[in-house]
Amino acid sequence: GAGVSQSPRYKVAKRGQDVALRCDPISGHVSLFWYQQALGQGPEFLTYFQNEAQLDKSGLPSDRFFAERPEGSVSTLKIQRTQQEDSAVYLCASSLTAGFHNAYEQYFGPGTRLTVT
Amino acid sequence: SQKIEQNSEALNIQEGKTATLTCNYTNYSPAYLQWYRQDPGRGPVFLLLIRENEKEKRKERLKVTFDTTLKQSLFHITASQPADSATYLCALDPRDSGAGSYQLTFGKGTKLSVIP
Repeated sequence: GAGVSQSPRYKVAKRGQDVALRCDPISGHVSLFWYQQALGQGPEFLTYFQNEAQLDKSGLPSDRFFAERPEGSVSTLKIQRTQQEDSAVYLCASSLTAGFHNAYEQYFGPGTRLTVT
Repeated sequence: SQKIEQNSEALNIQEGKTATLTCNYTNYSPAYLQWYRQDPGRGPVFLLLIRENEKEKRKERLKVTFDTTLKQSLFHITASQPADSATYLCALDPRDSGAGSYQLTFGKGTKLSVIP
């Protein structure tokens, strides 16, 4: 079956450009997460959606980062005025549901590797 | 501050031996802990989840233990094979009970190499 897909897989942006990264979660998955992974590090949480509601954006590093999931399925992570420190792999994950007593595993996409030159 | 540490950045073992990876955490009281596998150029893949009231969980050649007193989880791969070579990540939910976010906090990972 189809897993989580992300596009583009690779993106090179000049410093100052805006970029948009797309995530298609597994159909029916309520929860969607964005993570940032630097080389040699584990993924770091950016933001979380439950359906179309963005319930937690505490991990977004600056107001240049913006995420949306308007219809509760596809999500877009936008980075405005990209900087070199934004270079990383951006991972999207989805899970069937999430709740303190329902700890469902997360299914990750392949990631988008962003390089800012 | 909260911290998750995976003790080894890299671990090399001989094929057929048991690989043991360690995950320690401080200043958390997680309800559960998860282990993921990540291959180069790919996203993490879920392997096992263990809850705070479970001491041990097994799946085929994998075994995870969870000691909430020591604040440690051990991840074992028995009869290791070269195909097991990958980076293994531990992850936990940093929330206190009742909070509204279900993010995972990951360790840096341990790169396992199984030598034929």
